[in-house]
Amino acid sequence: AQSVAQPEDQVNVAEGNPLTVKCTYSVSGNPYLFWYVQYPNRGLQFLLKYITGDNLVKGSYGFEAEFNKSQTSFHLKKPSALVSDSALYFCAVRDISDSGAGSYQLTFGKGTKLSVIP
Amino acid sequence: DAGITQSPRYKITETGRQVTLMCHQTWSHSYMFWYRQDLGHGLRLIYYSAAADITDKGEVPDGYVVSRSKTENFPLTLESATRSQTSVYFCASSLLSTALISDTQYFGPGTRLTVL
Repeated sequence: AQSVAQPEDQVNVAEGNPLTVKCTYSVSGNPYLFWYVQYPNRGLQFLLKYITGDNLVKGSYGFEAEFNKSQTSFHLKKPSALVSDSALYFCAVRDISDSGAGSYQLTFGKGTKLSVIP
Repeated sequence: DAGITQSPRYKITETGRQVTLMCHQTWSHSYMFWYRQDLGHGLRLIYYSAAADITDKGEVPDGYVVSRSKTENFPLTLESATRSQTSVYFCASSLLSTALISDTQYFGPGTRLTVL
């Protein structure tokens, strides 16, 4: 079974400061990892994903995420936060080693609300 | 480019009534998914479909029925709505290639359903 943990329900950061939204995962094989963002009353928007290769993945809107296999983490980062980054962020995982019928399912974390303070 | 759309965007219904939520995508993606979003639970998969006429259960399928007669449509039906099904429902689609590279899921805007 695969699972995702986002240990912080809310993260507050001052505008211009670096931000980190944490994510840890558990899979029996190798993971595909994703970050999505949800703005109020909107659907989820894809930010970035890790499949293989370079552990640092760059995505939309200046976000990046670092895959750490030993710590089973995939933290989302941005060097300088904007007020417009305030939203709900979801980490998701899929076990690419699972060849069963459910192998295309994404498992999402519960989400982290990011508030960027002007 | 409409992408993926859901209708209605908001729905209020009563316990015991049948409700159908519609999902339509214009990308010809093979995979489609239905999730529900509840506070404290994140997104949970209800059903998914690999292609027309192929569907399978997700994490929380009880009380829901799906069909997929055409690639572009994936309706979700609550056969007899209950208050516990009050939620925000998201449809998603994905072009899952055999190389397992292009498997990003793209989400619709959601349907907020209230069951009284």
